[in-house]
Amino acid sequence: DTAVSQTPKYLVTQMGNDKSIKCEQNLGHDTMYWYKQDSKKFLKIMFSYNNKELIINETVPNRFSPKSPDKAHLNLHINSLELGDSAVYFCASSLKGGNEQFFGPGTRLTVL
Amino acid sequence: AQSVTQLGSHVSVSEGALVLLRCNYSSSVPPYLFWYVQYPNQGLQLLLKYTSAATLVKGINDFEAEFKKSETSFHLTKPSAHMSDAAEYFCAVSDQGSGNTGKLIFGQGTTLQVKP
Repeated sequence: DTAVSQTPKYLVTQMGNDKSIKCEQNLGHDTMYWYKQDSKKFLKIMFSYNNKELIINETVPNRFSPKSPDKAHLNLHINSLELGDSAVYFCASSLKGGNEQFFGPGTRLTVL
Repeated sequence: AQSVTQLGSHVSVSEGALVLLRCNYSSSVPPYLFWYVQYPNQGLQLLLKYTSAATLVKGINDFEAEFKKSETSFHLTKPSAHMSDAAEYFCAVSDQGSGNTGKLIFGQGTTLQVKP
């Protein structure tokens, strides 16, 4: 059974388009995260939700809008995609309190 | 504020040799510390974690790390490298406790190359 899953795995799109990435976890965790890994492999937190409430928003452009329909899902919608949005996006989940986070396989977004 | 510095973006060892990946952290509160491994085109997998219990932490695949508060370090070691250990390794720090966000602050990563 996959603990944290993301769809799609690869996403290639044109500048200016709007796209979404979905994340689901079946671990019973109450906190979910989105991280961005750039071309130099640097990982940075973007958002975090706890029980559907936004608790972290790390100065991400407002073109990025996370949505959490329930505590098992955290989706990421990106409007007006730009070249600089090309990266690998990782979803993660944990129990509240900052202990071990479980990561999904990542979504490689390429903006042309 | 918390931060992590990994010394050496690229480490190369021979198969069977000792692996040492260096990590130093900065934190204004007692930290939780983690090492994650990322194999090519995959997600991150937890190797081990320090959460204020024993300072010598053992993880998967014979990796271990020692928390040294006086040196603000959490270096990762493995006695004998295997070809399958070739990957990207990330050290991370998190604030602890249920009242905090739990976000991970990552170091820049170290690429481990294992030569036959």
